[in-house]
Amino acid sequence: QKEVEQDPGPLSVPEGAIVSLNCTYSNSAFQYFMWYRQYSRKGPELLMYTYSSGNKEDGRFTAQVDKSSKYISLFIRDSQPSDSATYLCAMISNSGNTPLVFGKGTRLSVIA
Amino acid sequence: DSGVTQTPKHLITATGQRVTLRCSPRSGDLSVYWYQQSLDQGLQFLIQYYNGEERAKGNILERFSAQQFPDLHSELNLSSLELGDSALYFCASSPPWGNYGYTFGSGTRLTVV
Repeated sequence: QKEVEQDPGPLSVPEGAIVSLNCTYSNSAFQYFMWYRQYSRKGPELLMYTYSSGNKEDGRFTAQVDKSSKYISLFIRDSQPSDSATYLCAMISNSGNTPLVFGKGTRLSVIA
Repeated sequence: DSGVTQTPKHLITATGQRVTLRCSPRSGDLSVYWYQQSLDQGLQFLIQYYNGEERAKGNILERFSAQQFPDLHSELNLSSLELGDSALYFCASSPPWGNYGYTFGSGTRLTVV
């Protein structure tokens, strides 16, 4: 079993839809959870950051972490064509001695 | 501009050759990470340096090596290149405190022919 599992998609939605992206993980030591957005031929950029369980909202984006289920989600409201990108979840433990572990990424297309 | 600079942006080379990829971290960041991204494997961690010292090693091949210099820039050396080494190579950096995620460069696209 991989440490982080993420459905690669692709996911295609109409403009204005609510998008739900998810990852599951197996390592209970993970404490910090992130979502990165990667446009084609560009480097990943940090989108959302969450520590431990709970929700975090930033504009149209909401990140949720459920540590009991080892499940994290990213919701995008009122999706826009500019949201079309690959979204990667990433997580790290508190020890600081291991690097970020990434999911494979979900490719999202928002159709105008 | 993320503040992490990678050169070159593109590299085309033949099998068996050796190349060097360069990374300058964001100002103030002491850690440098190298990742390889291919279509089927996603982002794979290769190696981390912290203030000049190797901190962690991932699935890095013996043909690959890296170092971080006193000015904190890092180089990733890939030798005896094979077709399967064709990928995007990303460098990322992070500050010396907290676990607030990494800042990535724009990557080097390596094509081995």
